[in-house]
Amino acid sequence: GAVVSQHPSRVICKSGTSVKIECRSLDFQATTMFWYRQFPKQSLMLMATSNEGSKATYEQGVEKDKFLINHASLTLSTLTVTSAHPEDSSFYICSARDTGVTNEKLFFGSGTQLSVL
Amino acid sequence: GENVEQHPSTLSVQEGDSAVIKCTYSDSASNYFPWYKQELGKGPQLIIDIRSNVGEKKDQRIAVTLNKTAKHFSLHITETQPEDSAVYFCAASGNFNKFYFGSGTKLNVKP
Repeated sequence: GAVVSQHPSRVICKSGTSVKIECRSLDFQATTMFWYRQFPKQSLMLMATSNEGSKATYEQGVEKDKFLINHASLTLSTLTVTSAHPEDSSFYICSARDTGVTNEKLFFGSGTQLSVL
Repeated sequence: GENVEQHPSTLSVQEGDSAVIKCTYSDSASNYFPWYKQELGKGPQLIIDIRSNVGEKKDQRIAVTLNKTAKHFSLHITETQPEDSAVYFCAASGNFNKFYFGSGTKLNVKP
């Protein structure tokens, strides 16, 4: 299947710093990418929908100034956790829609484990 | 909005046995139902999917069935192997605008 690359896989940062996570579709163009957050032993919680060339759409309760999303090209979306705090520690996962095939599918990146000290 | 429920939350089977995971959805507009396998510390991996115009789909040891009338779909894994042990998520989507995920099933295949 299509490949979605997510970096970094793990990051540890101090409280108050900002962290950027990259999500790339390697062999297809993705006009839409989704960002999820996952707590241990729980399901995926949609944070925002990232659309190329336009502002992201955030889910209710997700602070757009806290979680900055930029979808500058058809293959790259970034999530920046600004002024990170320990409660932001979580597993963040991106996904991308492969619309270039007859049977459209959604593929996920490998996730980023963020630990804020 | 859509509500996806998944059962069971944990499932333990003996190697070689079959495993079945069931999901229900609430929105009749949902027309795409993927299943994902997630291993510890990794992102979900698409293993099989089905669209609303099909009742069943099979890929080697994995199959998915869909009952649109009852609004439920199931994942069937036959001849389970230890490497099938993981957390499985079902999802429902209407035209790929949003994906709603089940709560996950932790499958343990005992050798």
